[in-house]
Formats: sequence, structure tokens, C-alpha cells
Amino acid sequence: QKEVEQNSGPLSVPEGAIASLNCTYSDRVSQSFFWYRQYSGKSPELIMSIYSNGDKEDGRFTAQLNKASQYVSLLIRDSQPSDSATYLCAVRGADGLTFGKGTHLIIQP
Amino acid sequence: DTEVTQTPKHLVMGMTNKKSLKCEQHMGHRAMYWYKQKAKKPPELMFVYSYEKLSINESVPSRFSPECPNSSLLNLHLHALQPEDSALYLCASSQGQGPLLVGELFFGEGSRLTVL
Repeated sequence: QKEVEQNSGPLSVPEGAIASLNCTYSDRVSQSFFWYRQYSGKSPELIMSIYSNGDKEDGRFTAQLNKASQYVSLLIRDSQPSDSATYLCAVRGADGLTFGKGTHLIIQP
Repeated sequence: DTEVTQTPKHLVMGMTNKKSLKCEQHMGHRAMYWYKQKAKKPPELMFVYSYEKLSINESVPSRFSPECPNSSLLNLHLHALQPEDSALYLCASSQGQGPLLVGELFFGEGSRLTVL
């Protein structure tokens, strides 16, 4: 059973600070990694994808991948109240895409 | 605005009803998916269509019946559902080739189903 683990939270971060979300995965042959944001009652929205070790930046978002340690993280700089949502980590392996249970992030104004 | 459109947005049905959920995408993607999501849980894969052929059925009960009339359309036919089937049903699409067309998924807004 391929596993993707996330701390369910809630993770509470003051507005303007950096929010750090972490994800670990069990399948060593995993190839692609994704972060989805899901607002309450809405559908998931892809915000970042990362395929190789290191950092990938897109605006206020930075995804970090370390395949040796089997973790992927998402940093959100200058956090805004509109960033409050559940963040789902998804890992693509040989069996397809596996979602973590998500981390509930709350940005405090 | 999402490029994957789902209808209806909300559906209430009795256990003896027959209804359908519909999904349409105009991004030229060749893979389409149905996911089921319960509250505070991650999306759970139900079916995958690759080039209009069913490639993955994740042991879904036969009361759910998928159909892919063409590369842009995906339906989910519902019959004799149970109250525990109440959930958000998400359609998604992605580019790619091969039986496991996973990658960057584009989700529709979902159809919230309530079974009485």
C-alpha cells in the first residue's frame, strides 16, 4: 500500500508569515509530486508540481523535493487570509496518483 | 474559471432513483477521471478513461456505471444508491498517454450528491 502522509493540522500561521507544509511518501519509485489547494466545499486546484530534487518557485509558493528522504514540502511566503484552505499532497507512482489526507491551513489576520 | 464543467452541481435522489452526472472538458485531454470525496477526506479514485476506453475501475460497486461517449464527455450513471454514497463527485482530466494517464489533474467543481 503506497502511503502519502501529511499532518492534518490545523496549522495556524499569522498573516504575512511563511507557512510550511510537509508531506512524506513511502514509494521510492515515485516520479512526480503535486500540491493541490482545496477551499471548503470546493474542488481541488493544482497549485504546484515538482519532478526533480531541489526547489521550484512560483510567485509566493515554493515546492521543495528531497527524493532521498522521501519528502516534499510547500512554502507559502507572505501568507494571506485567502491562503486558508486544505492543502493536498499528491504523489505519482507506478500505480497512479495517491493523495495525502491534506493539511488544514489557517492564516490568522 | 475551470475548464472542466460538471452538471448538476447538486443532486438529491432517493435510493430507487436513476440519475446521471455529466462532465465535459475542452482542453483536448485524453484521460478523464471520476473521483469520490467524503468530508475531510482526500479524493478517492473511482474510474479512469484513457482515449475513451475504461482503463481503471477501482472496485467500484455496479450501482455506479461510467460512460465516455467521446473524448470530451464523461458520464456517471447512478442507480439504487445507498445513503453512504452521499459525497462530492469530482470529474478530472489530464494529458498523457498510456493506461495510467496521471499527471497534472484539472478538476471540475464537483457534483454534490445526497442520497435519501
